[in-house]
Amino acid sequence: DTGVSQDPRHKITKRGQNVTFRCDPISEHNRLYWYRQTLGQGPEFLTYFQNEAQLEKSRLLSDRFSAERPKGSFSTLEIQRTEQGDSAMYLCASSPQGAGTQYFGPGTRLLVL
Amino acid sequence: AQKITQTQPGMFVQEKEAVTLDCTYDTSDQSYGLFWYKQPSSGEMIFLIYQGSYDEQNATEGRYSLNFQKARKSANLVISASQLGDSAMYFCAMREDTGRRALTFGSGTRLQVQP
Repeated sequence: DTGVSQDPRHKITKRGQNVTFRCDPISEHNRLYWYRQTLGQGPEFLTYFQNEAQLEKSRLLSDRFSAERPKGSFSTLEIQRTEQGDSAMYLCASSPQGAGTQYFGPGTRLLVL
Repeated sequence: AQKITQTQPGMFVQEKEAVTLDCTYDTSDQSYGLFWYKQPSSGEMIFLIYQGSYDEQNATEGRYSLNFQKARKSANLVISASQLGDSAMYFCAMREDTGRRALTFGSGTRLQVQP
């Protein structure tokens, strides 16, 4: 399977705990995007990487959120001190450099109790 | 700023019939891309079809076609010969062709195909 993969698929945590999600993009894609999708809405952009460089972060990404892509391959998204408002689907997508189509992973559903 | 509007929260269609899902967009960019994605209940966003702002012909991919009307800023998705497996959420999205090239999504349309 050469698609985008994400782990875990589901995560339930208690408010105040830290969580980390992983995304493995399509191997030849050097751009990687994180989006967040709340119930009944379309996904919203959070941040993106070109190779290992994080080039932009949305205002949606508070200081409790951090993302890395240390070797330009997989990426992690960490949420510290989770809040109930963080409950959402977190989607990862990758694309080739340039105006390529973004292909999405299956997402990680986060529920903060 | 870019904006996508999908005015149909839900649509019903009979199996084997065609259906049109509406999408209008707003942008000041001259170069952009328009996409449709399908999201089944499992949650994965599945790419369906792409239209570039400079493409003169409407895009087609199998049973999917994109009715692109640039002057009206609309990019409607047409699904022909609907199948039960087409039941899902459908999202229209726009991508700027410079900079971050992030996608801006609409709020989606839930399509239900009835036997």
